[in-house]
Amino acid sequence: AQSVTQLGSHVSVSEGALVLLRCNYSSSVPPYLFWYVQYPNQGLQLLLKYTTGATLVKGINGFEAEFKKSETSFHLTKPSAHMSDAAEYFCAVRKNYGQNFVFGPGTRLSVLP
Amino acid sequence: DVKVTQSSRYLVKRTGEKVFLECVQDMDHENMFWYRQDPGLGLRLIYFSYDVKMKEKGDIPEGYSVSREKKERFSLILESASTNQTSMYLCASSLLFRNSYEQYFGPGTRLTVT
Repeated sequence: AQSVTQLGSHVSVSEGALVLLRCNYSSSVPPYLFWYVQYPNQGLQLLLKYTTGATLVKGINGFEAEFKKSETSFHLTKPSAHMSDAAEYFCAVRKNYGQNFVFGPGTRLSVLP
Repeated sequence: DVKVTQSSRYLVKRTGEKVFLECVQDMDHENMFWYRQDPGLGLRLIYFSYDVKMKEKGDIPEGYSVSREKKERFSLILESASTNQTSMYLCASSLLFRNSYEQYFGPGTRLTVT
């Protein structure tokens, strides 16, 4: 069975600081991995995804994530936080070979001035 | 741009009422999904559908049913609403035969059952 853990339900960073949001997964099949962002009162928007190929994946708004099979991790990073990055971030893994995802519990990112 | 719309942003219903949540997508996607989102639990799949009139149970189908009479529309039904169904409900859609499996989400419906 697939599962996703996100370390830290709430992360605070200063504007301009590095953003690091952690995601670890378990999967019995080759994983497809996703990061979604949810701004207040909105639905989820895809930030980036890993399916196959290059393990360092670049997404929108300057975010990137690296798939590390040996660590079963897919951490999300951004070199310099902006106030507009304040949101909730969800990591997800494809469930088996199907069309569904398993989502992590989410990490709320606060950006301090 | 893919657009997924949900009929209401906020809804307040009484215990025991029958509740309909509607979702429409405009990109001819085969797959449609209903999730509920609760703090600390992330998104949990209620039901999904990969074709008209087809449905599959997700992880938490109890107390819910769905209907898909047209490809673009997927309805979630609470037969007899209960207070533990107070939650944010998110609809999503995706293409069936694409390796990326990317899901596109609607803005959500915040349902309160009193």
